[in-house]
Amino acid sequence: DAKTTQPPSMDCAEGRAANLPCNHSTISGNEYVYWYRQIHSQGPQYIIHGLKNNETNEMASLIITEDRKSSTLILPHATLRDTAVYYCIVPRDTGNQFYFGTGTSLTVIP
Amino acid sequence: ETGVTQTPRHLVMGMTNKKSLKCEQHLGHNAMYWYKQSAKKPLELMFVYSLEERVENNSVPSRFSPECPNSSHLFLHLHTLQPEDSALYLCASSQDQGLYNEQFFGPGTRLTVL
Repeated sequence: DAKTTQPPSMDCAEGRAANLPCNHSTISGNEYVYWYRQIHSQGPQYIIHGLKNNETNEMASLIITEDRKSSTLILPHATLRDTAVYYCIVPRDTGNQFYFGTGTSLTVIP
Repeated sequence: ETGVTQTPRHLVMGMTNKKSLKCEQHLGHNAMYWYKQSAKKPLELMFVYSLEERVENNSVPSRFSPECPNSSHLFLHLHTLQPEDSALYLCASSQDQGLYNEQFFGPGTRLTVL
């Protein structure tokens, strides 16, 4: 049960901001939104997570809508090394289980 | 470097072989996980361990046998595998098994079953 919906693929020009959307319309009040990415043939890498406030760290920003039904991950200045599959995850409410789904394949174009 | 290491990084085995995958975390975490990622498919959670006790087994065939001798080490013992078991096997750890603990992943073991 995915709980999230993401576009299958996106392109972004190098140096521009990459905005990756995610719908999670069935999210409940105490569930967090997590973002991970997976560069080809490597393990997934944690990026950021949030509950209802916008969050920012050294990798990205996370914007969560007021109704919490969707969010956007922002990579402010995309580089070629940001080419990866990005997963938006709302963990199951038992056991910290992450369902990764198919994510969004982001290609950063020179 | 995530603090989670996996060995070997690549493994080729026949269907009658017995092999083991090893995962070690250097983060002082209490929970560890095995995932399987087949080509063109999402990651599938296989097993969850918390404080060395198995807390989740997601209908994984018995030819996969996990072992968690202590909170830093996790093994996946493999025997009589099938070619469709060829996949990337990923280990992860988190501080605790409860919600809101981000998981840190190792680089994975690329397994090929001939």
